[in-house]
Amino acid sequence: KAGVTQTPRYLIKTRGQQVTLSCSPISGHRSVSWYQQTPGQGLQFLFEYFSETQRNKGNFPGRFSGRQFSNSRSEMNVSTLELGDSALYLCASSEGSNQPQHFGDGTRLSIL
Amino acid sequence: DQQVKQNSPSLSVQEGRISILNCDYTNSMFDYFLWYKKYPAEGPTFLISISSIKDKNEDGRFTVFLNKSAKHLSLHIVPSQPGDSAVYFCAASANAGNMLTFGGGTRLMVKP
Repeated sequence: KAGVTQTPRYLIKTRGQQVTLSCSPISGHRSVSWYQQTPGQGLQFLFEYFSETQRNKGNFPGRFSGRQFSNSRSEMNVSTLELGDSALYLCASSEGSNQPQHFGDGTRLSIL
Repeated sequence: DQQVKQNSPSLSVQEGRISILNCDYTNSMFDYFLWYKKYPAEGPTFLISISSIKDKNEDGRFTVFLNKSAKHLSLHIVPSQPGDSAVYFCAASANAGNMLTFGGGTRLMVKP
C-alpha cells in the first residue's frame, strides 16, 4: 500500500497570504488528522476529519481550517499567514479510533 | 501544561545494548499510547502501541511497558542498532479518539 502523501513538500509564502496543503491518506483509511511541528511547541494537534466531518479540533485560531473529501483526501488551509505559522505541517491517517496513525513526510511552510 | 513529558532530551547507547526511553503523562483519561521514530526531513514512523488494558506489548526488538498507577510508559529496544539513531516521540490519546498528544521527544544515539 502507498503511504500518506503530502503536497507540496516545501512552500514559501509572505505574511498576509493564504495557503492550502493537501494530503492523500493510505487507501482505506477514513480518518485524517493534521499536526503542526515547531521547535518551540513541538508536535501539536490541529484537527481530525472522519467521513468528511471534523471530529476533533485542537487549540488553534480560526485561520486554520480544513476539509475532507468523499475519497478521504484532505486539505488544510491557513489564511492571513503570520511569521509564527512557519512550521512543518504533518498529515496522518488511520483506520479508526485506537488504531495507529501513519504520517506523511510533511509540508515545510516558511513565511517571509 | 504538558500532559505528556519525555524528561530526557537525549540518550546515548552502545550498539548491541538495551535502549530505554521513558515517558510520563498526567491525564488519567489517556487510554492509548504510541511510540514513533522520526528522522530529519521525514514524518514520524509508527513503532509500537499499547492500550491501557495491557501493561506490556512486544514487537520484535521493541517492547513497550505501561505502568498506569505511575502514569509512566517506557520503550525498550534490544539489541540497539546504529540505524535506531533518531528522535523518539511518545504520544497518547483519550476516549478512543484520534487526537494525539505528543511528548517533546528524546534523541537516541546508538554508537557502533
